[in-house]
Parts: sequence; C-alpha cells; structure tokens
Amino acid sequence: DQQVKQNSPSLSVQEGRISILNCDYTNSMFDYFLWYKKYPAEGPTFLISISSIKDKNEDGRFTVFLNKSAKHLSLHIVPSQPGDSAVYFCAAMMNAGNMLTFGGGTRLMVKP
Amino acid sequence: GAGVSQTPSNKVTEKGKYVELRCDPISGHTALYWYRQSLGQGPEFLIYFQGTGAADDSGLPNDRFFAVRPEGSVSTLKIQRTERGDSAVYLCASSQTGTGEAFFGQGTRLTVV
Repeated sequence: DQQVKQNSPSLSVQEGRISILNCDYTNSMFDYFLWYKKYPAEGPTFLISISSIKDKNEDGRFTVFLNKSAKHLSLHIVPSQPGDSAVYFCAAMMNAGNMLTFGGGTRLMVKP
Repeated sequence: GAGVSQTPSNKVTEKGKYVELRCDPISGHTALYWYRQSLGQGPEFLIYFQGTGAADDSGLPNDRFFAVRPEGSVSTLKIQRTERGDSAVYLCASSQTGTGEAFFGQGTRLTVV
C-alpha cells in the first residue's frame, strides 16, 4: 500500500508559466515533508521542505503548500525554466531524522 | 569529499553471485540510509544507521540483504545469491542527526544477468 502518491507521472509546462506538482499521503503520522529533484544518472537533490505545523514554505521560485486535513501537498515553481526539467519526488517522514517514504515521482518538462 | 560518494557507479553481475556496494557519507553525518530505486518508481527504504548500529532495517527485502557500518562512517550493502529482481539503482544518503534533509549519492546501478 503506497503511503505517498504522486498521481501525475508527467507534466509539461511552457517556460515562464507556473508548474504545480501534487502529492497525496495516507499516513497521518507523517509530520515532515520534502521535495527532491532528480536529473538522469544523479542522486535526488533536496529542494524544499515543510513541517506539519506550517501550511506554506517559500524559497525563491519554489513554494510548497501543505493541506493537512486533505493530506495533500503541492510544489509550485514560478516562473518555470527549462533547467527545471527533471523528475520531482515528494517524500514524507515521521520525526526528523527517520527514513523517508517517497512517492513515485513526476517528470516535469519545461518547454522553451 | 564534499558529497556522498558511492562505488561502483555501475555493477553487472551474474545471477547467484555475491556483490558489495559501498557508500562514503558526508563527513560528520551520523545518520546513513540505503534506498533502492526500480525503473519508474520512487526510492524505497532499505535500512537506516545511526552511528554504527542499524536503527531500522525493516526495509531489507529478505535475508540475502545485509548492511554494515563498522566505524560509523563508510557503509557497505551486501547482497548474497543475487537474483534478476535485485536489478535496480541503489542509493545511499546521509544526514545530520535530527534533521530532515538527507543528501544522496549518485547511486550504484546494479544489473543481475
């Protein structure tokens, strides 16, 4: 049973527009959420995180929103750039420092 | 080095053979994780070390898989009697204790033929 789900396997966006990547989870014990970005032949790279006590965290072009009641989070990238093209993984954990549970990933393609 | 280093980057082995995959974490990171990523899926947790001890090995799929971290730094993931289904990218990550952000290595692509 997948505890973290990314229902869109791919997303295509025009350069300059907003990219919205979605993630749903089922385990209410998760209290810390992260987004990772992965290029081919490289390991995942940490992008942004959010604690369950917040509903929004912003870092430059990247904003993560958390809706605890809906068990849903989203990553907004604005404006999108061609270099943002990668696979994005949503991950969740119970207590900082424990293992991450990942979603299946969403491949983002930003077209110039 | 500055980041998490994994060796080898690629490993091809025959079914039934034994393999060892190595991970050098970021210096000073006490937490170390192994994950496995199959094609088209997200990374799946295998095992977590806090210092030298395995704090959580619940993700190891069966007793053919074993990992050690004898001095609390470098870790080795060992797979006995490899099967074709073991083919995947094996990822290692490390983090400071008590923080959520884990830093990943580039992975070892294991192919069992």
